[in-house]
Amino acid sequence: EPEVTQTPSHQVTQMGQEVILRCVPISNHLYFYWYRQILGQKVEFLVSFYNNEISEKSEIFDDQFSVERPDGSNFTLKIRSTKLEDSAMYFCASSTRSSGRKDTQYFGPGTRLTVL
Amino acid sequence: AQSVTQLDSQVPVFEEAPVELRCNYSSSVSVYLFWYVQYPNQGLQLLLKYLSGSTLVKGINGFEAEFNKSQTSFHLRKPSVHISDTAEYFCAVSATDSWGKLQFGAGTQVVVTP
Repeated sequence: EPEVTQTPSHQVTQMGQEVILRCVPISNHLYFYWYRQILGQKVEFLVSFYNNEISEKSEIFDDQFSVERPDGSNFTLKIRSTKLEDSAMYFCASSTRSSGRKDTQYFGPGTRLTVL
Repeated sequence: AQSVTQLDSQVPVFEEAPVELRCNYSSSVSVYLFWYVQYPNQGLQLLLKYLSGSTLVKGINGFEAEFNKSQTSFHLRKPSVHISDTAEYFCAVSATDSWGKLQFGAGTQVVVTP
């Protein structure tokens, strides 16, 4: 069964450094998402992406964050100048149709980001 | 805006006993409702979803949930749990006019013991 993959599984970085989290969505999916979960807190929506554009973003997703689909398979989340509070598990998800509201979002296993 | 409340942070249950996980939501607009499960060291997997129609929804692994609009609830049930059901369960909502943004509850950890 096709699945969403994420690399790396664990990323450790120094405060102020830039990180890129990578995701490979399911191949025929059109909608892509990033969520994060700070330890002990809820899973939070960051951004949705369709047709090479951000379709919706949360208040968390400020200028520090950016997303990109650099080729036909990868979907990346870049965090510039990381802060301690960016430490979290980051989940990528994808779904099938152009209107993703009703469709199942398939989640990757997550990347644990630790900012020191 | 929407919010989701999962009333139990942890639910211990014996193998073959029934389990119910409670979820309440609030929203000023119509929503779709979801239950996801997260097994250790894995991503979130959809158990079931309510979009419209029958308020009783059946999902994978013997789980079902009932949508109650008047009580704004979407409780998850399983009549007989297995050890393998030990996991964290998340209730989520998505506004029908959004681009798929999921709003999650805090999660309920289910621990099944023999």
